Amino acid sequence: DGGITQSPKYLFRKEGQNVTLSCEQNLNHDAMYWYRQDPGQGLRLIYYSQIVNDFQKGDIAEGYSVSREKKESFPLTVTSAQKNPTAFYLCASSTDPLAKNIQYFGAGTRLSVL
Amino acid sequence: AQTVTQSQPEMSVQEAETVTLSCTYDTSESDYYLFWYKQPPSRQMILVIRQEAYKQQNATENRFSVNFQKAAKSFSLKISDSQLGDAAMYFCAYRSRTLNAGNNRKLIWGLGTSLAVNP
Repeated sequence: DGGITQSPKYLFRKEGQNVTLSCEQNLNHDAMYWYRQDPGQGLRLIYYSQIVNDFQKGDIAEGYSVSREKKESFPLTVTSAQKNPTAFYLCASSTDPLAKNIQYFGAGTRLSVL
Repeated sequence: AQTVTQSQPEMSVQEAETVTLSCTYDTSESDYYLFWYKQPPSRQMILVIRQEAYKQQNATENRFSVNFQKAAKSFSLKISDSQLGDAAMYFCAYRSRTLNAGNNRKLIWGLGTSLAVNP
């Protein structure tokens, strides 16, 4: 089945620790995205990548880092510089933005601070 | 900058009835996409329906339809014959179609409407 897989489903971070959230897609999509979702707020874009080896900051990139070494993978690292990391994180992908431009989402990762 | 507003934080509907969720947006562009996404308790975000601004015809997908009023910048979602499985958060989103900015590939999201379906 084609889709987007995020892991783990739940993640706990200790003070001062970096953690990495995984996002893998087998849809052959060029573009991938990371969103953060907090209660009472809409989705906020952290980073996005339009093509392999390229990525751009979104609206709330501080305290996060990404890489895009392979088309199917777009891991997100939450660094110790992110002082309020507790949130639900969603990964998405889409085909050529000039085409249908529909974003497909993974099931998300819930990150909590110990 | 574009904005998306969902003025109804919560809505409820009786099973088998019809409900309409509101969405307004602000933009100076003429060519764009509008979306409704559904987020059930599982938290997986699912596309419900998509509208291209240059198309006058309102999009429909089975029991879901939109009322797209371009001049009024309004994009409401109508759910007919509501089912218990329709209970979810519904998000309205906007995306520019023009290639004139480095951030033109991002979706701009509303804050969502929580829909409850009563049996």
